Amino acid sequence: NAGVTQTPKFQVLKTGQSMTLQCAQDMNHNSMYWYRQDPGMGLRLIYYSASEGTTDKGEVPNGYNVSRLNKREFSLRLESAAPSQTSVYFCASRRGQLYEKLFFGSGTQLSVL
Amino acid sequence: SQQGEEDPQALSIQEGENATMNCSYKTSINNLQWYRQNSGRGLVHLILIRSNEREKHSGRLRVTLDTSKKSSSLLITASRAADTASYFCATDQVEGNKLVFGAGTILRVKS
Repeated sequence: NAGVTQTPKFQVLKTGQSMTLQCAQDMNHNSMYWYRQDPGMGLRLIYYSASEGTTDKGEVPNGYNVSRLNKREFSLRLESAAPSQTSVYFCASRRGQLYEKLFFGSGTQLSVL
Repeated sequence: SQQGEEDPQALSIQEGENATMNCSYKTSINNLQWYRQNSGRGLVHLILIRSNEREKHSGRLRVTLDTSKKSSSLLITASRAADTASYFCATDQVEGNKLVFGAGTILRVKS
């Protein structure tokens, strides 16, 4: 049972390059989330998708785009990477809307030079 | 700005002692959740307390919630070296289907 799978695990980009972080869950969850984690800042919500076909901005959406490709997959795209986007990115999912816990992927460590 | 703020930022205790972490938040919530993170790995859910509950227990964990003060606390009793990790509170907000996390408390349990 894989749970939430993120790819890649590590990535180094040059400023201005683009890339897509992939996330897939096999738990038939409706809601999916992208967070970034910086030292001393905890996790900050970038975008989320409450259900297939919907996406909403979180706390720090600037510089990112997302696609809820289907119920299983939720991707995060950096169109023009900046050093400020160096961070660890976590994807998470949960079954419904209220009183549900999040299941996290193992993270993507991204460095933008 | 983040919804939850944990206090203290770091805590160092001896094995067998109790550890208490506090969380404050700003807006109305449906529930509050606590998560644990080991060494930069993905977070793992520990316990959830609903907005109409005041206290909840799970094994060595005890969580309290005071909605009038917009605060919560997590108590880990009889701590073990394996409890060394970062602990985060997350608020499930009334508006929007999203969990907002605090900055976390780093707990170190010395054996």
